[in-house]
Amino acid sequence: DAKTTQPNSMESNEEEPVHLPCNHSTISGTDYIHWYRQLPSQGPEYVIHGLTSNVNNRMASLAIAEDRKSSTLILHRATLRDAAVYYCILLLSNFGNEKLTFGTGTRLTIIP
Amino acid sequence: DAGITQSPRHKVTETGTPVTLRCHQTENHRYMYWYRQDPGHGLRLIHYSYGVKDTDKGEVSDGYSVSRSKTEDFLLTLESATSSQTSVYFCAIRAGTGLNTEAFFGQGTRLTVV
Repeated sequence: DAKTTQPNSMESNEEEPVHLPCNHSTISGTDYIHWYRQLPSQGPEYVIHGLTSNVNNRMASLAIAEDRKSSTLILHRATLRDAAVYYCILLLSNFGNEKLTFGTGTRLTIIP
Repeated sequence: DAGITQSPRHKVTETGTPVTLRCHQTENHRYMYWYRQDPGHGLRLIHYSYGVKDTDKGEVSDGYSVSRSKTEDFLLTLESATSSQTSVYFCAIRAGTGLNTEAFFGQGTRLTVV
């Protein structure tokens, strides 16, 4: 299965942009890049996903490299509520069955 | 919020007893997943289902079995619970109309095996 690599932890100041990197050098042409985050004592929640083009939604932006071997989740203006573990995941089709496998994620700390 | 409910939310059981966790959805989604999360770790996939009676193993399936006899319910069974299965268990659902659909997660079940 294709794997993702993320830094274990990152810190950012409140109200500043945050760029969370993810490497996925073994990505296949049809694999989607998904991002989820997990707040303390909660289940993961969906953030954003994309295939080739950059994507924006109300929570974040996703910048995908042209060769698709890496991507960056962008939080435009971090708040204390954004402190969480962020997971970059490749959603891949396994002979038509779609596995959703998590890596270790990046723990984001927001500094007031 | 996506219609996904896990039960029970908390359970303490003794080593060697069978335990069944239930994941129930009201969304009619095709895919359902069971994960476990241990302190300081990410989520590890146990089993998943891609339709009624269609299931497959994940990364850590040993000691676990699953069943899906109807679309809305996905059951995770520990046939003989061990202390190493003490964990927080999460269920997730996805529409499964392609890779372009997101997953929704339940609030988790905290299982303690003593």
